[in-house]
Amino acid sequence: NAGVTQTPKFQVLKTGQSMTLQCAQDMNHEYMSWYRQDPGMGLRLIHYSVGAGITDQGEVPNGYNVSRSTTEDFPLRLLSAAPSQTSVYFCATSRGPSYEQYFGPGTRLTVT
Amino acid sequence: AQRVTQPEKLLSVFKGAPVELKCNYSYSGSPELFWYVQYSRQRLQLLLRHISRESIKGFTADLNKGETSFHLKKPFAQEEDSAMYYCALSASEKLVFGKGTKLTVNP
Repeated sequence: NAGVTQTPKFQVLKTGQSMTLQCAQDMNHEYMSWYRQDPGMGLRLIHYSVGAGITDQGEVPNGYNVSRSTTEDFPLRLLSAAPSQTSVYFCATSRGPSYEQYFGPGTRLTVT
Repeated sequence: AQRVTQPEKLLSVFKGAPVELKCNYSYSGSPELFWYVQYSRQRLQLLLRHISRESIKGFTADLNKGETSFHLKKPFAQEEDSAMYYCALSASEKLVFGKGTKLTVNP
């Protein structure tokens, strides 16, 4: 029972490159979300999903895409990386937004 | 739109002293509020939620709808309480976090 996993743990990209951050859960949770954590800015919601096939935007969705083809996986895609996307990214899962969120270990992304 | 404000970026107290981490929210509906904590090199985890009205690790938080606040309190801080604390509000299928308060408990 792995809970919530994220890969990779660390990543360095050059401006303009694309990549996908992976998030997987084995808790059978319907609700999944992506946050970025920046110093002095706290956690900001990027995108979220209330179930397979359903996604919606959070506070800071620009520059990011998501899809939810299965209950278990919720990948976050950076289409054309920018230095402003340097951050720590957290995936979280739960039964819903009003329930306890279970966070992954995070992915530290640096864009040069 | 919902908003969470944590006015203190940093809070430093001595061991054994009372501690209060402030959280104010803005939401027109009935709020569901949470406190999450992130200890050094650990994942974010739920500390407590207002609906359960319980005390976790000596911390309590009371929802004050009149003042739109959900302050986190502990009467006697311990060194192991040093961490980053986030207040969060659930509304309209979203969970929105404040900017966080870094608590340092000095020996």
